[in-house]
Amino acid sequence: DAGVIQSPRHEVTEMGQEVTLRCKPISGHNSLFWYRQTMMRGLELLIYFNNNVPIDDSGMPEDRFSAKMPNASFSTLKIQPSEPRDSAVYFCASSLDRYTGELFFGEGSRLTVL
Amino acid sequence: AQKVTQAQTEISVVEKEDVTLDCVYETRDTTYYLFWYKQPPSGELVFLIRRNSFDEQNEISGRYSWNFQKSTSSFNFTITASQVVDSAVYFCALSDTNAGKSTFGDGTTLTVKP
Repeated sequence: DAGVIQSPRHEVTEMGQEVTLRCKPISGHNSLFWYRQTMMRGLELLIYFNNNVPIDDSGMPEDRFSAKMPNASFSTLKIQPSEPRDSAVYFCASSLDRYTGELFFGEGSRLTVL
Repeated sequence: AQKVTQAQTEISVVEKEDVTLDCVYETRDTTYYLFWYKQPPSGELVFLIRRNSFDEQNEISGRYSWNFQKSTSSFNFTITASQVVDSAVYFCALSDTNAGKSTFGDGTTLTVKP
């Protein structure tokens, strides 16, 4: 079975541009998480969904960040407009059960905002 | 609120040495789950083990072993006869039924030198 698939793997953009990161969770997993990893702040949970419904978005840093999960097999994280401080690796993870289940991570999307 | 502390930021050992990575957690829940993840230099995060709060049996898997002690709120990870391929960042995480999401520690960077 395929793992969590993220795209793009690398994105370089200029400040002010819109960035869209994509994620396909493992089939059958009903929870999906977006994390951001930086040297300064480590792994931060941005938002997570359960059965396609956003449960907790308290980690989303600003209104410039938004996430959607239109169906069980696809989610997006959008940054508009992007800023240099958004540069980070963004991970998507999915889980069978958000309470008890381990997280299966994608390979991450490395974002550089110039 | 849940919290995970990995006090060791960096550890360096020579190949074949044993090494223990510490993890201390805080939670008000009586039902919770503990996890360890590995992030090798390639960047992906890989699940290693899950433990629930009712199972204090130690776990051994090859050169890896985990010591869960509720009395000290610790879930330590030992690598026996370390190898260069064990070099990675190791994250401890906690999920309780109240929060419904995993909280990660800051990670311990393990370097195994030949």
